[in-house]
Amino acid sequence: TQLLEQSPQFLSIQEGENLTVYCNSSSVFSSLQWYRQEPGEGPVLLVTVVTGGEVKKLKRLTFQFGDARKDSSLHITAAQPGDTGLYLCAGRRIKAAGNKLTFGGGTRVLVKP
Amino acid sequence: KAGVTQTPRYLIKTRGQQVTLSCSPISGHRSVSWYQQTPGQGLQFLFEYFSETQRNKGNFPGRFSGRQFSNSRSEMNVSTLELGDSALYLCASSPAGTSGRTTDTQYFGPGTRLTVL
Repeated sequence: TQLLEQSPQFLSIQEGENLTVYCNSSSVFSSLQWYRQEPGEGPVLLVTVVTGGEVKKLKRLTFQFGDARKDSSLHITAAQPGDTGLYLCAGRRIKAAGNKLTFGGGTRVLVKP
Repeated sequence: KAGVTQTPRYLIKTRGQQVTLSCSPISGHRSVSWYQQTPGQGLQFLFEYFSETQRNKGNFPGRFSGRQFSNSRSEMNVSTLELGDSALYLCASSPAGTSGRTTDTQYFGPGTRLTVL
């Protein structure tokens, strides 16, 4: 069982539709990051959330950190084929030393034109 | 600024051999972390080096080791390779200067794809 559970594991939608990816845990995190990874590349950071209840927007992407800092969501409005990729959430646990990140299993998103 | 570079990008080894992977962090970054990515286990933390010292370690056997040089470049070594070591090995650097900072961004390299036959 992963410390960070992502759902769904796979999502296939048509261009223009909306989608939401969830990242849940029973543990509290001091911060949560969302990354997108494309084939053959390393993950690229999209956003970091650190305050419970925080909402951040990045163009068509909206990120929310749960009030208790145990969960997060990523919502994409009017998805485009360029949004296709593997979305990963990663958290830094409370009192974790250094830069150790715990990753969720990932959500593979396919946006069809 | 150049990004994180990893060499080699692809590697094929046989069981029992050992391998060394290299990572050059972004200029000025002092923290280097290593992760293993597999389809079954996802991304798992291996270890982190800061100022040539390992300051964090994941749950991997002792066959996995690493080091960091004075210029912050890092290497990781896997000895006595097993089939299950086949994975994408990712290196990430950050400017982190103080343990526990919660907002230091980690910048990932493209990874080294290791195949063990």
